[in-house]
This record gives sequence, C-alpha cells and structure tokens, in this order.
Amino acid sequence: QVQLQESGPGLVKPSETLSLTCTVSGGSIRSYYWSWIRQPPGKGLEWIGYIYDSGITNYNPSLKSRVTISIDTSKNQFSLKLSSVTAADTAVYYCAREVEDKLGYYYYYYMDVWGKGTTVTVSS
Amino acid sequence: SSELTQDPAVSVALGQTVRITCQGDSLRSYYATWYQQKPGQAPILVIYGKNNRPSGIPDRFSGSSSGNTASLTITGAQAEDEADYYCYSRDSSDNHLGVFGTGTKVTVL
Repeated sequence: QVQLQESGPGLVKPSETLSLTCTVSGGSIRSYYWSWIRQPPGKGLEWIGYIYDSGITNYNPSLKSRVTISIDTSKNQFSLKLSSVTAADTAVYYCAREVEDKLGYYYYYYMDVWGKGTTVTVSS
Repeated sequence: SSELTQDPAVSVALGQTVRITCQGDSLRSYYATWYQQKPGQAPILVIYGKNNRPSGIPDRFSGSSSGNTASLTITGAQAEDEADYYCYSRDSSDNHLGVFGTGTKVTVL
C-alpha cells in the first residue's frame, strides 16, 4: 500500500529556511493532491498547503508569503520550504495524500494516507 | 478564510453514544472529513464523504451532515476511542483552501 515518509533536518535556526521532503512509496504520485500539515506542541492541526501533480499549488494565507511546495514526479517526492522561521514554526510536520471525490453536487476531500510526522524545532 | 468550530472536549461513559459536531460555512458546500489522533501518533481517517469508513474503522463510527454542521457519532464508545478528533474541509470560496476544525478531545469514562 502507499506509504509516505517525511525527511529533513530536525533543528533549524531562526531566520533560516525549513526544508522537508516527503517520499511516496508503493504507488504513483499522479492524480492526487499532496499536502503538508503541521501541529505545534499541544495544539491542533494546521493546514499548510497542497500541490497537485500538475504543479498547481495552494497555501494557507497566514503562511503564503513564506511557503513553497514543489513536486518531483520522477522521484515520487514532494517538498516543503518555509522561509524566515521563528520559534512559532516549531511543530510536528506531516505530509499526506489528499483525494478529491464527488457525490451528486457535493465534492469532498480527504487525506487517506499520512506520514508518521517529523518534529522540527526552531532554535539557535 | 473559513473556520470550522468544534467543542473543545466531550466525555462519554463506556458503551454509550457520543456526538461530536463541526460547524462552518464551508460545510454547506463540502462534506466534512473526520480524523482521529492519539497522543504521539499521526491522525488517521475515520469518516469521509457522506458517511464512508475506510477499511479497518469500526462501524460504531458514523458521520452525518445538516446545513452548516457536520457530526461524528460514536455508538457504543470503547476505551480505545479516547482521542482527539478533527474535522476537515475545503473552504467554500473559490480559493479551495484546506481548513481543519479546532479539535475535540473525547474522554471515555
């Protein structure tokens, strides 16, 4: 079955750029949305953004000026870059596969496969 | 952007029924998705679409929707259902942003 694995540095200095990669195994990266979600310690889930296999992206407005999500279909990977990080960006970062489906007039979207998550700490 | 509001915490006696709600304008346009998260673990999908359960999710979990409110019901709650639950949807405006609910902590007594 499809599995996702996040990778990247666990410690990033303030003002630097956080870079994470999600590797998709057991299936194709085509025809899905690929999302990043984060969870600060003791807090809820925050949607960061997604990319479609065509390269179309969409970002959380609160992070939009600092976020870039890219995709490499040849490597079955997608990546997250978050610039100018501060302590507020300390969180567990998850990647996930998001499916689009439709029932009647209603569309719905669900993340059916998640990575285990990786902890990123912003500290000098 | 759209918001999805959940009650912060609910409790349920073992074997009883609990309903968790999620409110937001986007739910008039999109079905909500529900995730369960236990401490130290990644979220897992429990309900999607009108009322669909992924393989392996017990049938005591069910979903429903009316107007701007989506609900997750656990019928006959078990100790292992104690967890945080989050709803998720896309924003109903043209920007198609993703949004998670504020989360509900379910305690099984």
